[in-house]
Amino acid sequence: AQSVTQLDSQVPVFEEAPVELRCNYSSSVSVYLFWYVQYPNQGLQLLLKYLSGSTLVKGINGFEAEFNKSQTSFHLRKPSVHISDTAEYFCAVVEYGGATNKLIFGTGTLLAVQP
Amino acid sequence: ETGVTQSPTHLIKTRGQQVTLRCSSQSGHNTVSWYQQALGQGPQFIFQYYREEENGRGNFPPRFSGLQFPNYSSELNVNALELDDSALYLCASSLEERDEQFFGPGTRLTVL
Repeated sequence: AQSVTQLDSQVPVFEEAPVELRCNYSSSVSVYLFWYVQYPNQGLQLLLKYLSGSTLVKGINGFEAEFNKSQTSFHLRKPSVHISDTAEYFCAVVEYGGATNKLIFGTGTLLAVQP
Repeated sequence: ETGVTQSPTHLIKTRGQQVTLRCSSQSGHNTVSWYQQALGQGPQFIFQYYREEENGRGNFPPRFSGLQFPNYSSELNVNALELDDSALYLCASSLEERDEQFFGPGTRLTVL
């Protein structure tokens, strides 16, 4: 079974500073990776996804992530954060079983942007 | 294009009761997946429905059951509620069973 590890439960950062949220996955087969954002009392919104091709993936709101197969990582980055980026961020991998695709999520990282 | 909607937004039940949560999939989507997100945790896969049939299930007991209707909307039913069932329940729809999933806003269930 596949799994996802988010190494930091909380990342405090000052506004306009860069940030990296770490994600490692375990899989011996081809992987499809996602980053979702969850604002307070809301559902999940897709930030970006890696399915194949370029290992540098650009998403919404200025976020990007790099797929690194040798390190089994998919870290999320933003060069300059805003207060509005304060939210919970989840890394996820798709696990296929028969006709089913289910998302396996990490435990999340709270990005806390301070003025 | 209407996104995924869920009802109700919040619900309070007592232990032992039964609950039904509802989800309307995005227009044109025939697959619905349900996830449970406990406080401080990532979402956990409950099950997936494709064209009215359950085609995959996570590690949840049989008291968690579901339905998908001909219009592809879906229900999640939980019997004999336990305190640990308190969570945010998320519904996601996709165009086909192996496609990208789009999430609804969730239903917050509190079991007292």
